[in-house]
Amino acid sequence: GAVVSQHPSWVICKSGTSVKIECRSLDFQATTMFWYRQFPKQSLMLMATSNEGSKATYEQGVEKDKFLINHASLTLSTLTVTSAHPEDSSFYICSANPRQGQNSPLHFGNGTRLTVT
Amino acid sequence: AQSVTQPDIHITVSEGASLELRCNYSYGATPYLFWYVQSPGQGLQLLLKYFSGDTLVQGIKGFEAEFKRSQSSFNLRKPSVHWSDAAEYFCAVGGLDSGNTPLVFGKGTRLSVIA
Repeated sequence: GAVVSQHPSWVICKSGTSVKIECRSLDFQATTMFWYRQFPKQSLMLMATSNEGSKATYEQGVEKDKFLINHASLTLSTLTVTSAHPEDSSFYICSANPRQGQNSPLHFGNGTRLTVT
Repeated sequence: AQSVTQPDIHITVSEGASLELRCNYSYGATPYLFWYVQSPGQGLQLLLKYFSGDTLVQGIKGFEAEFKRSQSSFNLRKPSVHWSDAAEYFCAVGGLDSGNTPLVFGKGTRLSVIA
């Protein structure tokens, strides 16, 4: 079945540094990828939609200059948390769909636990 | 606007007992419905999905869910819970082209299983 790989699975960084999270579709091409954020014991909140070949669409309240998204190819999307602060500590999850994705469920990565100290 | 309501934040059941997790949705078009399970610190695993056809859908790990359009519900059930079922469960709704539109998630229901 379709697999989405997310890397790293966890990362600790110092305040003020930047962190890049990768989301790869391993056996299918993904024209669209979604980035979600999950605070402890809460639900998944959509941050942005990235489309291959165009700019990402950010949800209201998400700072696009802070959370840089690049859909570099049909199998890779990256989320860069720039100048990270402790309040950015969270669980980030990406999801992707097969290229001809009607009636197909989204496939999720295993998430990245970001801790900013 | 699309929304998903999971009325129960936390449910505790005894091992071997039956389980029902509630999910109500609001969606302006034909909904596509999903249940995911998440263990602590882990990603999401798809339990089952409903797109069309038979309103009772079977999933993995012995779970099933029933789509009731008249009640805008998609409740998850399991006849006999195992201790390993303890996790967070999320109901989600998507659109016709579920691959190109994001899912909207409920707030989740945490399931605890006691001996």
